Amino acid sequence: DAGVTQSPTHLIKTRGQQVTLRCSPKSGHDTVSWYQQALGQGPQFIFQYYEEEERQRGNFPDRFSGHQFPNYSSELNVNALLLGDSALYLCASSLAVRPYGYTFGSGTRLTVV
Amino acid sequence: SQKIEQNSEALNIQEGKTATLTCNYTNYSPAYLQWYRQDPGRGPVFLLLIRENEKEKRKERLKVTFDTTLKQSLFHITASQPADSATYLCALPRDSGGGADGLTFGKGTHLIIQP
Repeated sequence: DAGVTQSPTHLIKTRGQQVTLRCSPKSGHDTVSWYQQALGQGPQFIFQYYEEEERQRGNFPDRFSGHQFPNYSSELNVNALLLGDSALYLCASSLAVRPYGYTFGSGTRLTVV
Repeated sequence: SQKIEQNSEALNIQEGKTATLTCNYTNYSPAYLQWYRQDPGRGPVFLLLIRENEKEKRKERLKVTFDTTLKQSLFHITASQPADSATYLCALPRDSGGGADGLTFGKGTHLIIQP
């Protein structure tokens, strides 16, 4: 049973560009959350998707947007990239109905130059 | 706003001893609290969840306590092994915690178990 799959694993982009990161949740999970983790810091919540709708959002600008597809997979889009967007982007899946441990992917390492 | 504090300094423990990590929080009354383990370059791995009405929870060599009066959780690893060396993250639900809420994480404590 595959866990959470994220792609790509590494990415280098130029300031001002746009990027799309992808996530396939663990089989049976219906909720996908995205986190940003800077070096030496804990993950910061970006947003959560359930039933193809954004259900919760953290303190991130509108440059960060997402989407969830009918098969529960998800994308994170970041527009107008800044140097400060360089980080590890983590996708986590869970079940919506009850508090439960999240399953995280290994992340996408984004470097903005 | 919610604030979670973990000892950001590395914690060095001798193999075989019990490691105890602390998580303190303010401005919040969470319905549950979670602990994760993270290895370098990898995503966090879920370890334990403890609810507000539970004082203690155990899983193999791991034990978590949750004191809602002190607003503190303690995470214990007994009979520690070098393979336990990692960063341990404390996390709380962002809202009331009735369901699968997004999480607020602490910065984590880097645990080093020395042979």
